[in-house]
Amino acid sequence: DTGVSQNPRHKITKRGQNVTFRCDPISEHNRLYWYRQTLGQGPEFLTYFQNEAQLEKSRLLSDRFSAERPKGSFSTLEIQRTEQGDSAMYLCASSFGQGAYGYTFGSGTRLTVV
Amino acid sequence: AQSVTQLDSQVPVFEEAPVELRCNYSSSVSVYLFWYVQYPNQGLQLLLKYLSGSTLVKGINGFEAEFNKSQTSFHLRKPSVHISDTAEYFCAVSDPDKLIFGTGTRLQVFP
Repeated sequence: DTGVSQNPRHKITKRGQNVTFRCDPISEHNRLYWYRQTLGQGPEFLTYFQNEAQLEKSRLLSDRFSAERPKGSFSTLEIQRTEQGDSAMYLCASSFGQGAYGYTFGSGTRLTVV
Repeated sequence: AQSVTQLDSQVPVFEEAPVELRCNYSSSVSVYLFWYVQYPNQGLQLLLKYLSGSTLVKGINGFEAEFNKSQTSFHLRKPSVHISDTAEYFCAVSDPDKLIFGTGTRLQVFP
């Protein structure tokens, strides 16, 4: 088990472009979460999946953001028409059930919008 | 909704001194509580968690935390810190289907 894997590690994009990030969770984990972390802040919840179903979305997840987990395994997070305010670290985590055994985080994707 | 307050944004301390990082949460109902550590440009690593049972929880790297239900606190402690403990520390509470994080405490250990 190699843990939670996120790709790419870094992404620089021009304002207005679309970007997509990928997360591969721990294979036994049925839940997958996306968080956003800006400098000097704690991670903020964006959305989570149980298997392939997206069960909750934060108000932070504007209509420019979309997440999928089509086969209940890996997940993608897409941001359309990026803005400078989207610059942040995007973290993915996975858990088995409600996380009593812990949530395992990936190393994150750092997005810079120029 | 749950919320987490980390009262200290930065804690400077000399090597081998004890340290306490404070965390308070909002709910009085049963919760799971967590402490994570984040090194620069990395993800979050679990230090320890409280689910139920003994209020004193021991974690990795010599850290421990005490759950206090009456004060809704979950403070993190280490009796003797090392330079390598310099990092950002986050307290988190289950909500219950996701984690809600505090704003973090930057622990800076000086030689």
